Amino acid sequence: DIQMTQSPSSLSASVGDRVTITCRASQGINKYLAWYQQKPGKVPKLLIYGASTLQSGVPSRFSGSGSGTDFTLTISSLQPEDVATYYCQKYDTAPGTFGQGTKVEIK
Amino acid sequence: EVQFLESGGDLVRPGGSLRLSCAATGFTSPRYAMTWVRQAPGKGLEWVSAISPSGGSTYYAESVKGRFTISRDNSKNTLFLQMNSLRAEDTAVYYCAKSVTLVRGAFDAFDIWGQGTKVTVSS
Repeated sequence: DIQMTQSPSSLSASVGDRVTITCRASQGINKYLAWYQQKPGKVPKLLIYGASTLQSGVPSRFSGSGSGTDFTLTISSLQPEDVATYYCQKYDTAPGTFGQGTKVEIK
Repeated sequence: EVQFLESGGDLVRPGGSLRLSCAATGFTSPRYAMTWVRQAPGKGLEWVSAISPSGGSTYYAESVKGRFTISRDNSKNTLFLQMNSLRAEDTAVYYCAKSVTLVRGAFDAFDIWGQGTKVTVSS
């Protein structure tokens, strides 16, 4: 099975900072990559699919890029409400493996 | 508004069985593939099983293959997960999730999630 590896596992940044999270697939997955945000005690929320398509209603400070094996989620200006754990997920075929998550905190 | 309501989670002993349900309201779920995702306490998300819109194709994680069965009743807009031979490592909150598009068969990102149902496997 293809493995999904996120980095870093956690990060702390200041409000207004640009934040970048990386997700690497052990084999190519084209652009079948999604990003989710999960706040503590809440249900995961879809941010990005197709590696770069912003889900409806998601703030434009979130963006995604990449193809093949290397993908990036960027928050252009970190806001207090962005404190959460972020997961990437591949969906080219079964299993739809998730990355281990990246916890984002405010410094 | 599209919503999913899971039910069926409970405390069960190792080796026991449970049947989870996920009822859809606000839209016609048969048009979309559906997936079960679980999250063990304090851990990340784990893809468990997916089913095509018609129910004709099903897929499982290796960790549950042969023990879990996904199915759907499109006449009742309801998704199921039959869980047999449960193990302590199956303890988790189980979410049902809807595929975001109509074009990816059983494999897609998930735009709408249920609130989850808690399964605890313990003696």
